[in-house]
Amino acid sequence: SQQGEEDPQALSIQEGENATMNCSYKTSINNLQWYRQNSGRGLVHLILIRSNEREKHSGRLRVTLDTSKKSSSLLITASRAADTASYFCAIRAGANSKLTFGKGITLSVRP
Amino acid sequence: EADIYQTPRYLVIGTGKKITLECSQTMGHDKMYWYQQDPGMELHLIHYSYGVNSTEKGDLSSESTVSRIRTEHFPLTLESARPSHTSQYLCASSPTSGSLYEQFFGPGTRLTVL
Repeated sequence: SQQGEEDPQALSIQEGENATMNCSYKTSINNLQWYRQNSGRGLVHLILIRSNEREKHSGRLRVTLDTSKKSSSLLITASRAADTASYFCAIRAGANSKLTFGKGITLSVRP
Repeated sequence: EADIYQTPRYLVIGTGKKITLECSQTMGHDKMYWYQQDPGMELHLIHYSYGVNSTEKGDLSSESTVSRIRTEHFPLTLESARPSHTSQYLCASSPTSGSLYEQFFGPGTRLTVL
C-alpha cells in the first residue's frame, strides 16, 4: 500500500511542550503533505514538502523528510490547547497520482 | 476557511431512502473528490473528477454515484441508503496544474442511516 502510516496513534501533552508526530510510507514519493482536522470538521492543509527537500518550516510547525527511511515527522513547538486536533500525513507517489492519506494521529494538548 | 461547501452537515434517514449529498466550490478547481471517513478517522477515496463530465471510482468500492455537470458542483447520490452507509463524507477540491497542490476540504456531512 502507498498509504502513509502515522505514529503514534494518539498523543497527549501539556500546553507548552513540543509535539512530534511521525509518518512512514512504502513507495517513492513526489511530495508529502500534512493536514489537520478539528473535531467534526474537514481537513485543513498545513504544509507540503517535496521529495528533494529535507526540512520546511511554517510558524510553529517544522516538517522533516527522510526519503532513505521513507519517513517524515511533524513537530509542533510550544503547543497550545487550540492545537488539539487530528493530524494526517498524505503522500503523492507520482506527479499525477492521487493523494493517499494515513489513518491520522489524535493530539490532545492539556491546558 | 476554504470556499467549499457541503450540505447538509448532518443527515439522519431511514433505510431505503434516496439521498443526495451536495458539494460546491467557488475556487474554479477542476479536480474534486469524495472521501468516506471511518469512525477511526481513516479517509477512503470513493469518487473523483478531473473536470466536467469526468468521474472515476476511487480506491474504496462504494454503492454511491456522482455526477459533474458543472465545474463548481459535485453531488453524491445514494439510491437506497443502508445502515452500512453510516459515515462521515468529505468533499475536497484542488487546482489542476502541477503536482504541488493541496486539497481543500469542505466541512463534511455526517450521515446516519437507521
